[in-house]
Amino acid sequence: DTAVSQTPKYLVTQMGNDKSIKCEQNLGHDTMYWYKQDSKKFLKIMFSYNNKELIINETVPNRFSPKSPDKAHLNLHINSLELGDSAVYFCASSQEGGQGAYNSPLHFGNGTRLTVT
Amino acid sequence: LAKTTQPISMDSYEGQEVNITCSHNNIATNDYITWYQQFPSQGPRFIIQGYKTKVTNEVASLFIPADRKSSTLSLPRVSLSDTAVYYCLVVGDSSYKLIFGSGTRLLVRP
Repeated sequence: DTAVSQTPKYLVTQMGNDKSIKCEQNLGHDTMYWYKQDSKKFLKIMFSYNNKELIINETVPNRFSPKSPDKAHLNLHINSLELGDSAVYFCASSQEGGQGAYNSPLHFGNGTRLTVT
Repeated sequence: LAKTTQPISMDSYEGQEVNITCSHNNIATNDYITWYQQFPSQGPRFIIQGYKTKVTNEVASLFIPADRKSSTLSLPRVSLSDTAVYYCLVVGDSSYKLIFGSGTRLLVRP
């Protein structure tokens, strides 16, 4: 029944490893996002996909690669993990895509806490 | 892109009305004002959105003056469960990147 679900909830790994976080939404929304929340609680957008097409790609290291197999899924793959990647990563979705997304409320998952040691 | 400024934290007591003000001096004509609530270990949750004057729903009210350079989220009769971080966002067709500020940490005391 969860609208936006992320897995795993916790992820502990060592530097240099590659890991993936999965996200699925059952709301029928057109647009999905990845946000990063650091220890100071700032939420920063990383990527946004609209109907499987990348529409936002903030200044994020190319070690981070989003993949959207279909409209309901947006996964985040991270290569060569670094200590600074430790954060909580949130997936979100909204009803409308592209420029129409601005007044569509975001629906967030409960986050994936990534710890890199 | 419109940037927002909110108080870092606020304290209140159960049963009181809480008003959290957000400044957004360079808001654009097509921008909307949206508020989210975030509990620990959860993602932000949409509370309310408005463009001008006043919007009310079952959770809160949003007051927006005519110049739209600020907005006030009003939580009536808060309870302990309203303790959370509240984010004000300004979103529009030029800023659909949905930029979150640092939020206001509200602590409701018994």
